[in-house]
Amino acid sequence: EAGVTQFPSHSVIEKGQTVTLRCDPISGHDNLYWYRRVMGKEIKFLLHFVKESKQDESGMPNNRFLAERTGGTYSTLKVQPAELEDSGVYFCASSRLGGVENLNTEAFFGQGTRLTVV
Amino acid sequence: GENVEQHPSTLSVQEGDSAVIKCTYSDSASNYFPWYKQELGKRPQLIIDIRSNVGEKKDQRIAVTLNKTAKHFSLHITETQPEDSAVYFCAASGARGSYIPTFGRGTSLIVHP
Repeated sequence: EAGVTQFPSHSVIEKGQTVTLRCDPISGHDNLYWYRRVMGKEIKFLLHFVKESKQDESGMPNNRFLAERTGGTYSTLKVQPAELEDSGVYFCASSRLGGVENLNTEAFFGQGTRLTVV
Repeated sequence: GENVEQHPSTLSVQEGDSAVIKCTYSDSASNYFPWYKQELGKRPQLIIDIRSNVGEKKDQRIAVTLNKTAKHFSLHITETQPEDSAVYFCAASGARGSYIPTFGRGTSLIVHP
């Protein structure tokens, strides 16, 4: 099966510009997560979709970040306007719903988008 | 919410030695603990996972142990090889029905030939 794909792989933008990251999860995976990793730190949770619904967006840093998941398929994460501290690697991951027992299942990661704000 | 601490941040071993990475979690209701390996320039990939109904799981040279009482879990790699060099992340999830994995900071494992 095709894995989780992210676009672009790298993006360098100037402070104040807008960037949109895209994630295509594995087909059939209702759970979609966005994470960010700053060098040397944890893979930090940003938000979680179940199908097209935002289930938890408690990790979103501020209102400059906007995530959408059209029709419960691919997702976009827009940063507008970008700031220097937004630099990092943005990962998307997807997983299946766990069924009636709500058992967690493996999250599959995309290769990440390295965002550099200068 | 859940908080996961991971140690050490860097681990350097000689080929053939064992490596142990330890994690603690804060939410006693978490019930799923995956470990991911991220090689340089690649995506994190699951290498082993354990659920709270077991205390140990092994897959060839890697094993994971879970102590629910103490809320800590560990990754053990035996007979390390240079290709084991990577960043390893532990995670915890499942508390109160949440699917969201909470990750540790990662451990950079370097295996010297």
